[in-house]
Amino acid sequence: DVKVTQSSRYLVKRTGEKVFLECVQDMDHENMFWYRQDPGLGLRLIYFSYDVKMKEKGDIPEGYSVSREKKERFSLILESASTNQTSMYLCASSPSGTLYGYTFGSGTRLTVV
Amino acid sequence: AQSVSQHNHHVILSEAASLELGCNYSYGGTVNLFWYVQYPGQHLQLLLKYFSGDPLVKGIKGFEAEFIKSKFSFNLRKPSVQWSDTAEYFCAVNERRDDKIIFGKGTRLHILP
Repeated sequence: DVKVTQSSRYLVKRTGEKVFLECVQDMDHENMFWYRQDPGLGLRLIYFSYDVKMKEKGDIPEGYSVSREKKERFSLILESASTNQTSMYLCASSPSGTLYGYTFGSGTRLTVV
Repeated sequence: AQSVSQHNHHVILSEAASLELGCNYSYGGTVNLFWYVQYPGQHLQLLLKYFSGDPLVKGIKGFEAEFIKSKFSFNLRKPSVQWSDTAEYFCAVNERRDDKIIFGKGTRLHILP
């Protein structure tokens, strides 16, 4: 079964901390995406990657960075966590093209205090 | 700007009622269309998708959606809902020349037993 695994289900971090959210997929997908999900705002794209070492900004990249050193792993980095980054973070992957849509991970609920 | 609009933020129905969730998008080119569902505590999963051909597409669990190109719409329907359909539903669109999927803000569906 196809899987996207996010390393943590729940995280609590302090303001100003550097936070790493990890995502691994086992489907050999080219594309990987990070979204944040907030009530009433739906899913908003933070960053995405179409290939190893490649990254593109999404709609809300401020305060975030990403790393993709290997095809299967896409990390989201909060350089200095702030309370407005408290959210549900969703990782997704897809083959090149969207014929099959995305496969999503279970999400990481991050609380910044 | 490209956008996806879901007509209702929150819908409450009784079991056996018919369901229609509205979705409109604002893209000028050729698009792929999706509906995703997120059951309580679970990850997002694909409900159905449209790429080409018959504009009436059938998905899992008795859901269907109709693509009306002239109206830029992709409404989700189910003739008789069940309590287990309680979930949040997301309409999503991508332009064929791009692998990014843009999501609507979601509709929370609550089915009364």
